[in-house]
Amino acid sequence: DTGVSQNPRHKITKRGQNVTFRCDPISEHNRLYWYRQTLGQGPEFLTYFQNEAQLEKSRLLSDRFSAERPKGSFSTLEIQRTEQGDSAMYLCASSFGGGRETQYFGPGTRLLVL
Amino acid sequence: DQQVKQNSPSLSVQEGRISILNCDYTNSMFDYFLWYKKYPAEGPTFLISISSIKDKNEDGRFTVFLNKSAKHLSLHIVPSQPGDSAVYFCAAKGSNDYKLSFGAGTTVTVRA
Repeated sequence: DTGVSQNPRHKITKRGQNVTFRCDPISEHNRLYWYRQTLGQGPEFLTYFQNEAQLEKSRLLSDRFSAERPKGSFSTLEIQRTEQGDSAMYLCASSFGGGRETQYFGPGTRLLVL
Repeated sequence: DQQVKQNSPSLSVQEGRISILNCDYTNSMFDYFLWYKKYPAEGPTFLISISSIKDKNEDGRFTVFLNKSAKHLSLHIVPSQPGDSAVYFCAAKGSNDYKLSFGAGTTVTVRA
């Protein structure tokens, strides 16, 4: 069990560019979540996958954001035409089963949009 | 709408003493509560959880108490150690939820 991994750990980009982040969940976990955390706040939910199906999206996830989990394993989060307000820590979490399961988080990708 | 609130942004405690972190929630549908610990530049690490059918859960130095009628939970750390210095997040979910709702966090500093 190597835990949840995320790449890259840091990303600096210019406004208007596209960025893509990757998350590899714990191998047997069927559920995968993306959250965003800004300074002084707790993580905020963005989207959720059960296997390859995207089952819930937050209203925070504008049409510039898209997430995929094509084979029910790793997931990608893409932000198109980045804005300075997209600067944040993007966290991925995974869990197994349903109900009162615990979500385990990766180290996050810190995005800075200049 | 902030459904989970941690009203103390920071807490300073002497090594060996008790740390008490508080969390309030507004959504009566929440029935599972978790505490996470976060070091700078790392993701949140799961500490301890409690379901609404219990009012106390203990794991080593960490104990979580739940008062459903007051919609309040607390995390006790006894004794506090320097390695406990971190940001602590309270999180909650309902039985029909997938997502966790987080508080804004409390920064704990353990003084030697």
